[in-house]
Amino acid sequence: DIQMTQSPASLSASLEEIVTITCQASQDIGNWLAWYQQKPGKSPQLLIYGATSLADGVPSRFSGSRSGTQYSLKISRLQVEDIGIYYCLQAYSAPLTFGSGTKLEIK
Amino acid sequence: QVQLKETGPDLVQLTQTLSITCTVSGFSLTTYNVHWVRQPPGKGLEWMGAMWNGGGTDYNSAFKSRLSISRDTSKSQVFLKMNSLQTDDTAKYFCARGTMMDMDAWGQGASVTVSS
Repeated sequence: DIQMTQSPASLSASLEEIVTITCQASQDIGNWLAWYQQKPGKSPQLLIYGATSLADGVPSRFSGSRSGTQYSLKISRLQVEDIGIYYCLQAYSAPLTFGSGTKLEIK
Repeated sequence: QVQLKETGPDLVQLTQTLSITCTVSGFSLTTYNVHWVRQPPGKGLEWMGAMWNGGGTDYNSAFKSRLSISRDTSKSQVFLKMNSLQTDDTAKYFCARGTMMDMDAWGQGASVTVSS
């Protein structure tokens, strides 16, 4: 199974700050990587697909990048509505696997 | 408008079988995949398995032979059945629409408690 190592586990940042979350894949998964945001009591919402493509309706302050088997989600100017838990997902091969999540809070 | 809705019991007895139905609208089960994902209280997301658009299935081996996923395309429904439930199966169970590269739409989830 492909392991997705996500870091940090939690993150506290100030409004307008740049935030970066990373996922390291245990093997090559190409661009088969998605990022999700989950707010308390809600379903996960797709932010990024194909490692770098912005999902419909997602603010442009969110972006995804890839360097080899390391994937990053960047929020360029943190807003209050960005608080929640963020997960990466590898969709390269079954079993699909999620990262362990990053809890983002406002400082 | 793409929608997925999970329906199932709130409470299941220990060692019994869980059955949840995912009813979809706004897309065809023969065009898109449907995944099942669960989330225990306060924990992360776990992929359980998928019904592929061609009718095949894949399962997370963590569920061994306890899990079964099927569908009725005429009713736009996908079914999850898992037997021998234990207390650590208490979770919210989501169905999600799958494209080639992601899950792009999710149901609101069905919360299930396994009671002894």
